[in-house]
Amino acid sequence: DTGVSQDPRHKITKRGQNVTFRCDPISEHNRLYWYRQTLGQGPEFLTYFQNEAQLEKSRLLSDRFSAERPKGSFSTLEIQRTEQGDSAMYLCASSPKGQEYNEQFFGPGTRLTVL
Amino acid sequence: AQSVTQLDSHVSVSEGTPVLLRCNYSSSYSPSLFWYVQHPNKGLQLLLKYTSAATLVKGINGFEAEFKKSETSFHLTKPSAHMSDAAEYFCVVSPLKAAGNKLTFGGGTRVLVKP
Repeated sequence: DTGVSQDPRHKITKRGQNVTFRCDPISEHNRLYWYRQTLGQGPEFLTYFQNEAQLEKSRLLSDRFSAERPKGSFSTLEIQRTEQGDSAMYLCASSPKGQEYNEQFFGPGTRLTVL
Repeated sequence: AQSVTQLDSHVSVSEGTPVLLRCNYSSSYSPSLFWYVQHPNKGLQLLLKYTSAATLVKGINGFEAEFKKSETSFHLTKPSAHMSDAAEYFCVVSPLKAAGNKLTFGGGTRVLVKP
């Protein structure tokens, strides 16, 4: 399978713990996006990378959240001091450079539950 | 700024009958518009996209959508529902020719197909 992959698929943690998620985009895609989806809602944009540069961050991304894409390939999303409100599905997407419109390819997501 | 309103949170249809999912959008830019489908425990899959070519767009699995600029709408239809169409559907807007920008999702419409 050469699609977007995410790891882990599920994470249960206690409030106050740190968690880290990984996303591997489609190999030739230089753009990578993170979204958050809470129950019963549509996904909401968190942040976007072009190669290794983080070009846009949503106001949803509080200072407890940090994302990296050190070599322009995989990306990590870390949440420090998790809160129950962080419980959600975290989605990663990627897209190739040079396309005229903004079609993005999504991974299966990481479901986070904070107890 | 851009936003999407999906007018129905739930739609219930009988197998073999038509499906209509309604979507209205707002965008400061000429938009590109998408419909994505999300089956349980699966990633978001692109059904179809509008990118300023034809206003009637055909997608996968027999779905199509019509872009109506005067009504700022992009409704999704299928002439005959199949049991496998039971899923959540998202209408999405992004600025046209601005590859790299975030997608803005509607709240989703959950489709139930009755035998």
